[in-house]
Amino acid sequence: KAGVTQTPRYLIKTRGQQVTLSCSPISGHRSVSWYQQTPGQGLQFLFEYFSETQRNKGNFPGRFSGRQFSNSRSEMNVSTLELGDSALYLCASSLQHGTGGERNGYTFGSGTRLTVV
Amino acid sequence: GEDVEQSLFLSVREGDSSVINCTYTDSSSTYLYWYKQEPGAGLQLLTYIFSNMDMKQDQRLTVLLNKKDKHLSLRIADTQTGDSAIYFCAEVPDSSYKLIFGSGTRLLVRP
Repeated sequence: KAGVTQTPRYLIKTRGQQVTLSCSPISGHRSVSWYQQTPGQGLQFLFEYFSETQRNKGNFPGRFSGRQFSNSRSEMNVSTLELGDSALYLCASSLQHGTGGERNGYTFGSGTRLTVV
Repeated sequence: GEDVEQSLFLSVREGDSSVINCTYTDSSSTYLYWYKQEPGAGLQLLTYIFSNMDMKQDQRLTVLLNKKDKHLSLRIADTQTGDSAIYFCAEVPDSSYKLIFGSGTRLLVRP
């Protein structure tokens, strides 16, 4: 079965612009979460959605937002881009609750590499 | 607080065993994970362990869990050059719906 698909793979934006990243989870998975990976801060949790509801949010400014659609696909948006937003953004999907284990483990996409210039 | 710690770098010779260590803080974490990341790629789930287990073996991989000390280790037997990558341990605190990652251990396998 198809894995987690993230689009686009690479993106270059200018400071002050906004960007939307997309994530299509594995078919049947209802939980989608987002992570930011940078050399300085490592992997940090952004937010998690289950059945279109945000269940948890990381410690990021309000410029970072997301949503999930009825087909479980998710988007995240970053407005007023800053140089420090340059990162690899990873999406993960989980079958149900995202609490772990074989049935509820997290599968990651290949990521979107965002460069802000 | 939420904190997962790992050593930053490990270098081994091809054919030797590698042991990557990790300490975590949240005793409510039911599952603990090991992920592998190769250059330019996303995260690949290697294995996980349930918190009521002490050990789990999966082919060349052995995970040891010391719940009392909140210490997790990943042993890779017969390490190959293709195992060169960054390895992350992660925990999922109960009802948090999020993975908390360590900083990653860069494994270099020398021929």
